[in-house]
Amino acid sequence: DAGVTQSPTHLIKTRGQHVTLRCSPISGHKSVSWYQQVLGQGPQFIFQYYEKEERGRGNFPDRFSARQFPNYSSELNVNALLLGDSALYLCASSRTSGQARTDTQYFGPGTRLTVL
Amino acid sequence: AQSVAQPEDQVNVAEGNPLTVKCTYSVSGNPYLFWYVQYPNRGLQFLLKYITGDNLVKGSYGFEAEFNKSQTSFHLKKPSALVSDSALYFCAVSANTGGFKTIFGAGTRLFVKA
Repeated sequence: DAGVTQSPTHLIKTRGQHVTLRCSPISGHKSVSWYQQVLGQGPQFIFQYYEKEERGRGNFPDRFSARQFPNYSSELNVNALLLGDSALYLCASSRTSGQARTDTQYFGPGTRLTVL
Repeated sequence: AQSVAQPEDQVNVAEGNPLTVKCTYSVSGNPYLFWYVQYPNRGLQFLLKYITGDNLVKGSYGFEAEFNKSQTSFHLKKPSALVSDSALYFCAVSANTGGFKTIFGAGTRLFVKA
């Protein structure tokens, strides 16, 4: 089975622009989470969606938004880009919302966003 | 609030020697603990997790981790390191409140010398 896929692989934007990142979960997985990984740091939780509903939100400004589609794929949108938004954006999928003890998140390769 | 500490930025070990990558955590309630590995220009790969039960958890690629509740630690170990184990390792914790709001440590870079 294919793993978690993300597109695009790399993206260069300028300050003030808008960006949309896409994620397709592993087949059968209904939850998608988004993380931001700044160079030299661990991933930081942005959002979790399960069954098209937001289940969790990290400490990020309202410029960050996301949604999940009926096929469980997801988009992360970032408005009014700042230089500090430059990072690797990781998507992770899991079968459930995380309440199942046996569940695990599996990560995609990420989208490298550079804001100039 | 949940937190994870990885006290070593870098760990150096010779190939064939045992390795340990340290992790301590703070969480309310029972923790879900994870180790992930990241190779250059790649996403995170799942190694192992502790939910409940045996304190010694076995995972992928010969890695294991020991959960110590009294010391709130979850150290990653491998009996014999390989050069190919050289990578960035992340410890992570989720509170047992449902959801996957996972908190990651800053990461430890492992160098295995031939």
